[in-house]
Amino acid sequence: GEDVEQSLFLSVREGDSSVINCTYTDSSSTYLYWYKQEPGAGLQLLTYIFSNMDMKQDQRLTVLLNKKDKHLSLRIADTQTGDSAIYFCAERYDNQGGKLIFGQGTELSVKP
Amino acid sequence: GAVVSQHPSWVICKSGTSVKIECRSLDFQATTMFWYRQFPKQSLMLMATSNEGSKATYEQGVEKDKFLINHASLTLSTLTVTSAHPEDSSFYICSTHGQGEQFFGPGTRLTVL
Repeated sequence: GEDVEQSLFLSVREGDSSVINCTYTDSSSTYLYWYKQEPGAGLQLLTYIFSNMDMKQDQRLTVLLNKKDKHLSLRIADTQTGDSAIYFCAERYDNQGGKLIFGQGTELSVKP
Repeated sequence: GAVVSQHPSWVICKSGTSVKIECRSLDFQATTMFWYRQFPKQSLMLMATSNEGSKATYEQGVEKDKFLINHASLTLSTLTVTSAHPEDSSFYICSTHGQGEQFFGPGTRLTVL
């Protein structure tokens, strides 16, 4: 079935690295996404990775993709209090018109 | 990236009324539009996929007669919540995609009293 799983909460101290994990089910997905959502706001695309890549780095963000295990992770270096939000991973179903299936979201809490 | 707008950004209505939400793709021809909803403290759940000029495909458990989707042009898709009830109160978000990127509207917060 269509399922994307994430852990629900993560708490880190300011300046530490945060790692948010995600597992997905569709091995044929071409794109996997990470979104950030702050309270009361819409979705903000953080980054995405194409399925033929193992890693993608963009400033403080590093995405790792393990296709064999269908595991995706987002590492935020030097986490700041402004990074506190809910982070969603999403898998794109190319064989169903490109719809996205989202994980439950991981609430990241950054303590000063 | 493409800009997607939604109108209204929030709406409060009485139970039993119908509410129309517009989603516009401002600088992109959106042949496919996705409608999601998000209940408080939950994830986004896909409601339906619409293709310009054809009927929408609804996800399991979503009532097509209650959530009417119209995608008559490449720049406009509408979602009408008919006979809204308090349990329909949610955050409704439209999305389109192109060349690997997904473009989301800012969302419409619906509160049904």
